[in-house]
Amino acid sequence: DGGITQSPKYLFRKEGQNVTLSCEQNLNHDAMYWYRQDPGQGLRLIYYSQIVNDFQKGDIAEGYSVSREKKESFPLTVTSAQKNPTAFYLCASKPEERSPLHFGNGTRLTVT
Amino acid sequence: GQSLEQPSEVTAVEGAIVQINCTYQTSGFYGLSWYQQHDGGAPTFLSYNALDGLEETGRFSSFLSRSDSYGYLLLQELQMKDSASYFCAVRGLGSARQLTFGSGTQLTVLP
Repeated sequence: DGGITQSPKYLFRKEGQNVTLSCEQNLNHDAMYWYRQDPGQGLRLIYYSQIVNDFQKGDIAEGYSVSREKKESFPLTVTSAQKNPTAFYLCASKPEERSPLHFGNGTRLTVT
Repeated sequence: GQSLEQPSEVTAVEGAIVQINCTYQTSGFYGLSWYQQHDGGAPTFLSYNALDGLEETGRFSSFLSRSDSYGYLLLQELQMKDSASYFCAVRGLGSARQLTFGSGTQLTVLP
């Protein structure tokens, strides 16, 4: 079955460490997205990529970095510069601009 | 910029009908979407309105009035499994053509 795989489901890191969240999709979608969700809040866009080797900053890109070397993969690195990294991170994709988003099951990152 | 407002919580009983409202401000408008998210899970797409009027999908309907910058999600014959968060989202113009989500409405369905 096609879908989006985010791993791991739970991730724990010490403050000051960079951490990379994985997102893989086998839906053959061109566009991929990273959202952050804090408790009781909506989803905020971190970065998005509409095609391989290209990506754009979203609303809250500071302290994050991404790469898009393959169509299937869009990893997100949470750097030590991100002041409040503890959150639920959701990866999504869609085949074309007006299509709905397909989401992965998320990674819950806790930084202490 | 873009902003959306929706109620933070709604409670209803099983079998009832509930309406979740969403008002938005955006520099351009390409449609209003609704997503459902069960606790700790992946959001899933429910419906999309690009034009004014009502879109019906089973027990769920969504309405849009572009002149009022307003929409709502209507859930009928509520079931316990409908307890979840519901997010409205808009897509605007230019660099804001990506989806902007509201803060979500937590629906609790009581027996």
